[in-house]
Amino acid sequence: DAKTTQPNSMESNEEEPVHLPCNHSTISGTDYIHWYRQLPSQGPEYVIHGLTSNVNNRMASLAIAEDRKSSTLILHRATLRDAAVYYCILRGLRGGSNYKLTFGKGTLLTVNP
Amino acid sequence: DTAVSQTPKYLVTQMGNDKSIKCEQNLGHDTMYWYKQDSKKFLKIMFSYNNKELIINETVPNRFSPKSPDKAHLNLHINSLELGDSAVYFCASSQERPSTDTQYFGPGTRLTVL
Repeated sequence: DAKTTQPNSMESNEEEPVHLPCNHSTISGTDYIHWYRQLPSQGPEYVIHGLTSNVNNRMASLAIAEDRKSSTLILHRATLRDAAVYYCILRGLRGGSNYKLTFGKGTLLTVNP
Repeated sequence: DTAVSQTPKYLVTQMGNDKSIKCEQNLGHDTMYWYKQDSKKFLKIMFSYNNKELIINETVPNRFSPKSPDKAHLNLHINSLELGDSAVYFCASSQERPSTDTQYFGPGTRLTVL
């Protein structure tokens, strides 16, 4: 399975932007980059995903390097509710061995008031 | 309305017992999953069902048996519970697409085996 590397933890202040990095140097051409987060005592929730181009949605932005070997999840204005473990996951096409979601350790984001 | 629901939320039981966890989704999805999150917080997929058919079965002991009576339900039955089965179990669902799809997770069931 293609692997991702994330910092164990990061800290941010409320209402400031947060950039969560993810390295995935062994990414294959058909792997999508998915981000999920898990708030305390809850199930994971989808944040965003992309393939090559940068992506924006109401929760976050995803910036993907030109060589696709790294990506950054951007929370534009962190709130206390954004404190969670953030998982960067590579996911292949349906039918392939890499199609299932494989969660790593993720990055624990702490947001200070 | 809750999209993916699980019952019970907490389950405390003795070693050797048999227990079931139920999962229901009202999203109209055709694929459902069971994940296990252990004490070290690693989240691993156990099973996946698509249209009531098993499509992913990770190396899970056969004491664990998923059962899908219909597309909206995927229950997990565990026989002869062991201490190591203590974990939080999450159900999820998605609508399968050719390239990728989003999974929606339930709130989890915390299983404690004494």
